[in-house]
Amino acid sequence: DAGVIQSPRHEVTEMGQEVTLRCKPISGHNSLFWYRQTMMRGLELLIYFNNNVPIDDSGMPEDRFSAKMPNASFSTLKIQPSEPRDSAVYFCASSSTGPGETQYFGPGTRLLVL
Amino acid sequence: SQKIEQNSEALNIQEGKTATLTCNYTNYSPAYLQWYRQDPGRGPVFLLLIRENEKEKRKERLKVTFDTTLKQSLFHITASQPADSATYLCALDGNQGGKLIFGQGTELSVKP
Repeated sequence: DAGVIQSPRHEVTEMGQEVTLRCKPISGHNSLFWYRQTMMRGLELLIYFNNNVPIDDSGMPEDRFSAKMPNASFSTLKIQPSEPRDSAVYFCASSSTGPGETQYFGPGTRLLVL
Repeated sequence: SQKIEQNSEALNIQEGKTATLTCNYTNYSPAYLQWYRQDPGRGPVFLLLIRENEKEKRKERLKVTFDTTLKQSLFHITASQPADSATYLCALDGNQGGKLIFGQGTELSVKP
């Protein structure tokens, strides 16, 4: 299995631009998580899906952030408009459903907003 | 408020020694706790899970303890090696079916 796939791996954009991050979870996993990691705040859960349905989006910082999961093999996290404080590493992770299940992380997207 | 705390300062130890990392939590009642390893430029990788009714779990050179009275987990690496150098994250279940809350992580450096 290829593991969780994220694209792009690096993104540099200017303030005000739209940014779209993509994730392909491990086949057969039905939970998907989007995290943001910074030095100051560590690894924060933004939103997670179960069977393509958003379950908890309480970590989404504000309306500029949105996430979709149109099918079991694809999810996007969109930031519009982007701001310098959005600069971080964004991770996608997937797992089988159920408490205690291991989460498998992708390599992350390093985002820099100038 | 809910809080998860790990050793904020980096831990430097000599090769062959045992590394002990701490994870303390407040205002949580986790059913389980997980430990992950993160190398620079990579995503976290799962190491061990321990449930609330388990006192201790082992996997090769790794040992995790879970004390629900003290609200603390200890993560031990015995006979440490330079290859063990990484950041180690503890994560508690968020009581919401699969959701994890991560600590800030502790950076471990093992010197040869």
